[in-house]
This record gives sequence, structure tokens and C-alpha cells, in this order.
Amino acid sequence: QKEVEQNSGPLSVPEGAIASLNCTYSDRGSQSFFWYRQYSGKSPELIMSIYSNGDKEDGRFTAQLNKASQYVSLLIRDSQPSDSATYLCAVIDKIIFGKGTRLHILP
Amino acid sequence: KAGVTQTPRYLIKTRGQQVTLSCSPISGHRSVSWYQQTPGQGLQFLFEYFSETQRNKGNFPGRFSGRQFSNSRSEMNVSTLELGDSALYLCASTGSLLASAAYNEQFFGPGTRLTVL
Repeated sequence: QKEVEQNSGPLSVPEGAIASLNCTYSDRGSQSFFWYRQYSGKSPELIMSIYSNGDKEDGRFTAQLNKASQYVSLLIRDSQPSDSATYLCAVIDKIIFGKGTRLHILP
Repeated sequence: KAGVTQTPRYLIKTRGQQVTLSCSPISGHRSVSWYQQTPGQGLQFLFEYFSETQRNKGNFPGRFSGRQFSNSRSEMNVSTLELGDSALYLCASTGSLLASAAYNEQFFGPGTRLTVL
């Protein structure tokens, strides 16, 4: 069964530090990967998409993809209390979402 | 541009009843996908409609069905409700004309919170 695995957390990170969120997937044929942020009681919103091995940066966010290791990560630099949310990793071409990692930024 | 709208926002039903949820995509978007989100299973794909045709389908029983109208609005129906159907049902739209919604950014609506008693 195709799966996307994430540590449920909560992951607690001090304000200003780097938050590192990790995700592994089981289907080696997966091609496209999205990271969504979901605040409590709200719907998911797209943060980053990544399709090729390596790093992709957008502001304070960096997505990293390693297809050989079937691993995708999201780094959040200079973490802010407003980053506190659940982060969903999605293998979007397989339409499979991870259960999410709860991130808590400590003021 | 208005976002994805879903109605109703909250719904309480009893076991055995049926329910219909509605979704209006972003203006100009022709693809609508439906998801079920529960604490235990996370976000799970139900089905996707594009130009009134079901283009993708997840692994849910036949009690879950949907349709899309010519104006791209979509409805999802769940028959013979079970306690386990209690969830947040999310609709998402994408403006892609060429590829499956799976490859393109999806904009989620606020969801319908369904409680089955």
C-alpha cells in the first residue's frame, strides 16, 4: 500500500530557530511533492511544491527532495509563532497525504 | 476573485441517513476534488471531477458518490451514513486544463464538518 509517513509531533522549536519537517514515501515512482500548512480549524494551504532532486527555496521556506532515499523535507528558517500549525506532506501525483506534523514555535 | 465555497459548513445527521454537500470552485476552475479528513486517517482523497466527468477516484465505498454540473459546481453524496463518516469534508479546485489536478496546486475550501450520531 502506498504511504506517506510523517512524525505526528508536536515538534517544538524556539522562535528564530530552524524548524525541520520530514516526510518519507513508499512509492518509488512518485514525481511531485507538495507541502501544505493547516492551521487549527482551517483548510490546508499550499506552501511549497518540489519535483526535482535537490533544494528549492522560497523566502523562509526550503523544500528538499531526495528521490533515491524517498525522502522530502521542509525547512523553516527564522521560525515565527505564526508558523505554529500542522504541516502536511503530499505525494500529489499519487494523491496521497501524510497525516501531518504539528509544529509549535515557542516564543 | 472569490475562493472555494462549501455549504453547509456544519451538519449533524444520524446513522442511516444520507447527506449532500455542495462545493463551488473558484471562478474559471473546472476541476473539483473531494477529500475526507479525520484525526485518525488524515486527509484522504475521495474523487475528482473535471468537466462533469469523474477523472480520478479514491478507495472509498460506493456509498460515497459525487457529480459535477456544467457550471463546475460539485456535489458529494453519502448514503446510509455510519458513525465513521464523521469527518471534515474538504473540496478543492484547480484551474488546470491539461493535466490531472494531482499535478497542480489545489485551493481548498473551508470544509463541511459532518457529525453522525
